[in-house]
Amino acid sequence: DAKTTQPPSMDCAEGRAANLPCNHSTISGNEYVYWYRQIHSQGPQYIIHGLKNNETNEMASLIITEDRKSSTLILPHATLRDTAVYYCIVQLYHRDDKIIFGKGTRLHILP
Amino acid sequence: GAVVSQHPSRVICKSGTSVKIECRSLDFQATTMFWYRQFPKQSLMLMATSNEGSKATYEQGVEKDKFLINHASLTLSTLTVTSAHPEDSSFYICSARDQLAGTDTQYFGPGTRLTVL
Repeated sequence: DAKTTQPPSMDCAEGRAANLPCNHSTISGNEYVYWYRQIHSQGPQYIIHGLKNNETNEMASLIITEDRKSSTLILPHATLRDTAVYYCIVQLYHRDDKIIFGKGTRLHILP
Repeated sequence: GAVVSQHPSRVICKSGTSVKIECRSLDFQATTMFWYRQFPKQSLMLMATSNEGSKATYEQGVEKDKFLINHASLTLSTLTVTSAHPEDSSFYICSARDQLAGTDTQYFGPGTRLTVL
């Protein structure tokens, strides 16, 4: 079973910041939080990952709470091309661990 | 980022035939690749872990004799759906981890849509 909980769907206006929450209350100390997204009929795409510090790259920002029990993926200026299913996953780093996908959040960007 | 390709992208076959799907890591080596299946409006379901030079590890409920996996080299894994039936129609996705890059990120192929008539 997936170790994370996400809302099934969210809407966001184009140009606004999209904030996608994820609960991972059972995360262990050496597990990272990864985010992937899947655009319709494509393979999943890696977005970002982090351990306990906030992270930012060209796609998104990841905010992890101090207790690490939850996190938020932020798309700063959402576009229609960001419409996708977003998956929050916890996994060990540098291991051949399989990824178990939950149901993710279906993000709709509204024009 | 690293690129994973799949071939074919789409295949239609008759019931009872076998279909082979290839997964290649184009610019990195992967000792481990993963195969997923996705039905419409559902999440990805892990089928098996493909290990280079050894037998694949199948998830519970996945028939290893029906879904044959061969990881012949560090850049190629194949999934063969044997004696395909309409219920095998699905979106098959592979992934590979670039273990030498230091990021441990898993990269996914674009998927293969299988339709069994």
